[in-house]
Amino acid sequence: DAKTTQPTSMDCAEGRAANLPCNHSTISGNEYVYWYRQIHSQGPQYIIHGLKNNETNEMASLIITEDRKSSTLILPHATLRDTAVYYCIGYNFNKFYFGSGTKLNVKP
Amino acid sequence: EAQVTQNPRYLITVTGKKLTVTCSQNMNHEYMSWYRQDPGLGLRQIYYSMNVEVTDKGDVPEGYKVSRKEKRNFPLILESPSPNQTSLYFCASSYFGEQYFGPGTRLTVT
Repeated sequence: DAKTTQPTSMDCAEGRAANLPCNHSTISGNEYVYWYRQIHSQGPQYIIHGLKNNETNEMASLIITEDRKSSTLILPHATLRDTAVYYCIGYNFNKFYFGSGTKLNVKP
Repeated sequence: EAQVTQNPRYLITVTGKKLTVTCSQNMNHEYMSWYRQDPGLGLRQIYYSMNVEVTDKGDVPEGYKVSRKEKRNFPLILESPSPNQTSLYFCASSYFGEQYFGPGTRLTVT
């Protein structure tokens, strides 16, 4: 099961790229890495996911290391509305394992 | 509009009084799940369901029951609530790993 480790908090200047790291050294070969974010106490929102290759969508990019032990979520141009808790999650087709996430503070 | 609904949104109850939190989704998803969120602990999975009549325990199932008689509904049942079940609860449904979360139910047990 992919238990993940993330920094507790990070700061980012508005308009700059936010790079959020995640360690998932116990991930197995068939476990995807998913990223979600939660604004205040709203329900978490899906951002992106990947297995081996780097992925990009309209919200973010996901870089997964070749050994799959870590990944980085990149928000290319952070805005104040991106202030949230970001969760890196291991998923093995049945259970989801959320950690405590990273609180990203985007500052003007 | 694709959505997951939960009711009630807020509930204050007393120890031992059975309660049910309803969850419904309109996306025809097979997978549904319940989480609780407590300060400093992130989201922890309580139960999940792979399909109708198929449910399984998550990480923190003690004190909870679920049922999945219809694809769209996945109620969470607390037969005898205790104060340590005071928490923020989220229901989610998903297509593979892309989960859609409900707005949350804030439960207080006194």
